[in-house]
Amino acid sequence: GAGVSQSPSNKVTEKGKDVELRCDPISGHTALYWYRQSLGQGLEFLIYFQGNSAPDKSGLPSDRFSAERTGGSVSTLTIQRTQQEDSAVYLCASSLRTSGAGGSGETQYFGPGTRLLVL
Amino acid sequence: GNSVTQMEGPVTLSEEAFLTINCTYTATGYPSLFWYVQYPGEGLQLLLKATKADDKGSNKGFEATYRKETTSFHLEKGSVQVSDSAVYFCALRQNTGFQKLVFGTGTRLLVSP
Repeated sequence: GAGVSQSPSNKVTEKGKDVELRCDPISGHTALYWYRQSLGQGLEFLIYFQGNSAPDKSGLPSDRFSAERTGGSVSTLTIQRTQQEDSAVYLCASSLRTSGAGGSGETQYFGPGTRLLVL
Repeated sequence: GNSVTQMEGPVTLSEEAFLTINCTYTATGYPSLFWYVQYPGEGLQLLLKATKADDKGSNKGFEATYRKETTSFHLEKGSVQVSDSAVYFCALRQNTGFQKLVFGTGTRLLVSP
């Protein structure tokens, strides 16, 4: 079946503008994660959605960042008033579930990412 | 808190050489451990995983053994190929509570013919 898809693949924006990044998880996956990959910071967790539970936003770097997940499927990550330090590759991942140890249900499958450049 | 430490790169090898990329971790309890690989221009892919102590994960000739006594999960391959050139990320995930992945900084592997 189809993997995780993300759009756009590349985004160039001016400092101060808002951007929206989209993630389509694998069908049937209840857990969805956003990560950021930037030079000097490596891969950082941003936010996590599990089913209808309240998202865990503990990784969001500032209140300019927000995310939502509609209908338990597609997710949108929004960055308001972008800054140059927001330039990074934003990765989305999904998994079948997050509870329990072992088994393929826990594996997180990553999308190709959105490369964001803030000028 | 949880953390993962990987050896600095790049690692430069000739084809058919033996590969080791070191990974150690700090975590409470018994996390699951992963190696992800990112080929040039592509997204992250799961390479292998181990969910409990002494488990060995293996895939595509790569292996890693979960060593609780040394809190390590070193990646090895007996004979690398040019096509193995990529960035390799070690990661852990707690198996209780919230299960985000915590990644190492990544190690770039360059294999020459």
